[in-house]
Amino acid sequence: EAQVTQNPRYLITVTGKKLTVTCSQNMNHEYMSWYRQDPGLGLRQIYYSMNVEVTDKGDVPEGYKVSRKEKRNFPLILESPSPNQTSLYFCASSLRQGPVSPLHFGNGTRLTVT
Amino acid sequence: QQPVQSPQAVILREGEDAVINCSSSKALYSVHWYRQKHGEAPVFLMILLKGGEQKGHDKISASFNEKKQQSSLYLTASQLSYSGTYFCGTERGGSEKLVFGKGMKLTVNP
Repeated sequence: EAQVTQNPRYLITVTGKKLTVTCSQNMNHEYMSWYRQDPGLGLRQIYYSMNVEVTDKGDVPEGYKVSRKEKRNFPLILESPSPNQTSLYFCASSLRQGPVSPLHFGNGTRLTVT
Repeated sequence: QQPVQSPQAVILREGEDAVINCSSSKALYSVHWYRQKHGEAPVFLMILLKGGEQKGHDKISASFNEKKQQSSLYLTASQLSYSGTYFCGTERGGSEKLVFGKGMKLTVNP
């Protein structure tokens, strides 16, 4: 089944404890992206990747890191999480970035930082 | 720049129609529409390209007016399954970013 898989689905952590949220897609998509969703703010892009070893900042990149060593994986790293990073996170992928490529979203990771 | 969606929320009875608008202050190349049900991931509905194209998907259709930099999503004879939050995402030509609006929450009651 074609899908984007995120893990974990739920994560509770403490301020400053490094964490990684994994994202994997099995559709051979070139483009991958991370979004955070907060009430009243919609989906805001954190980082995106056009292809392997190519990443760039989205609109809210502060406090996050990403890497794209393999085409299928695009982990999101929080080196020192803070409470303002408590949010619902979505990974998404598309065949390529462009006007005719729909995004496929993972099921989300709900992160709570205390 | 984030597109502006209106209205912010709508409550309908089954069978009624709804229109969701998405406006941008920048020239657009494409508009994406997604629906997110409560507790689930957003799901793709359709993409419209500049050129005033109108698309349809069952009883859901959309238009894109590039001169007005606006897209509208039309929900006809709404069903209970249409409930959810609808997001538009806009893309400018040459940009690698898809920027989403804040969403419109639609509730369809029996």
